[in-house]
Order: sequence, then C-alpha cells, then structure tokens
Amino acid sequence: EVELVESGGGLVKPGKSLRLSCAASGLSSGFPFRSYTMNWVRQAPGKGLEWVATISSNLAYIHYSDSVEGRFTISRDDAKNSLYLQMNSLRVEDTAIYHCATSAGPGRFDSWGQGTLVSVSS
Amino acid sequence: DIQMTQSPSSLSASVGDRVTITCQASQDVRNFLNWYQQKPGKGPKLLIYDTSILQRGVPSRFSGSGSGTDFTLTISSLQPEDFATYICQHYANLPYTFGQGTKLEIQ
Repeated sequence: EVELVESGGGLVKPGKSLRLSCAASGLSSGFPFRSYTMNWVRQAPGKGLEWVATISSNLAYIHYSDSVEGRFTISRDDAKNSLYLQMNSLRVEDTAIYHCATSAGPGRFDSWGQGTLVSVSS
Repeated sequence: DIQMTQSPSSLSASVGDRVTITCQASQDVRNFLNWYQQKPGKGPKLLIYDTSILQRGVPSRFSGSGSGTDFTLTISSLQPEDFATYICQHYANLPYTFGQGTKLEIQ
C-alpha cells in the first residue's frame, strides 16, 4: 500500500515562500513512483477540499488551479520517490492543510497523505 | 468552474441503517465522478471512482450511481467505522472540484 508523508509546512508571513515535500513509500515494483500522476490538494480550515496542482508521469503535463497559477510550482524527483510544491508570494488565503495524492487513473486521487499545515499570517 | 453540491450537509443514522447521499453537478460531468471518505485528522480515502466502480479493498456495502448531473452514494448497512465525512469530486474538466461534504454522525 502506498504511503505518502508530507513535510515542510509552517507559519509564514504574507509574501514569503515555502517549499513542501511529499515522500512516497510502499510502492510496488510493478507500479513505481514514476508511473503515477501526482497531485497537491488543500483544505482550508473549516472548508472543503480544493485541487491545487497536478504533474503527470514523464512530465507530459502540468496543471494548476487559477488561484495558484504563477505563484506555485509543482515538481517531482522520481529517483527520490518525492513530490514538491514551491509556494511563492504566499497569501493569507493560502492557509490550509496541503495533501499530496497519487492518481493511478485519470482524475481520481487514490492515496493521500495526512497533510502538512501551512499558515500564512502577519 | 463546475460546482458540486451535496445533500444533506449532515446526517444522523444508526448502525445497520441504509443511507443515501446525493451530489449534484452544475454542469454535465458524464460519469466522471468520484467519492471519498474522510475521518478527522486524516487524508481522504477513495471509495468509488467513475461513478460506480468500487476501489480495491472497499466493502461492498458501498455503492454509487448516477450520470450527467445527479449522483448518489449508498451505504447499505452502516457499520461503526462508516461514521465520517463523505465527499464527491468531478473530473470532467479542470479545475477538478469537490463537494462541500456530508458529515455522517451516529444517532
């Protein structure tokens, strides 16, 4: 069973940057990390889930939500079984728990991490 | 963006009850609809994808149906571990969006 562990969250001031990481383990040899499309999904306190970004296997495509386009960058290191989210120009409204999630098939989020909390406040 | 609206927003039920949760999309999403279960402090768990396909390891008491704009998640006989929040999500186009969730509580 795939296990995902996020890290890198914390308290930052508006306009600052933060880099989140997601480490994957428990992967099968038949479906290694490089085979997965990977995603970031966030959940603001007391709010619903919001898709943030997706990066496909082999970097064939990368997509962002309008709310983070131009400020966030998703990337991956398949040799390290890791996913990243570089977050620049952070805003108060970016405050949320950030989850990474795998996609073995189109549009679905199969496995999720517990998330890492990002708080943006002056 | 496609809006996903779930009802009810909360629901009280007892072990053994049959429960149905509905999800309505603001536009036709064909069958591109997934359901998740989330418990406090945890990431969501995929239950059903493509409207009605049970994710591996999910008990058969869970089922999904619908198409177009109207979808349902049914739990045929509630078990103690089923008390959680249930969330729908479409993937007909970007951005993928989620419903606000239905909190299922013990009566």
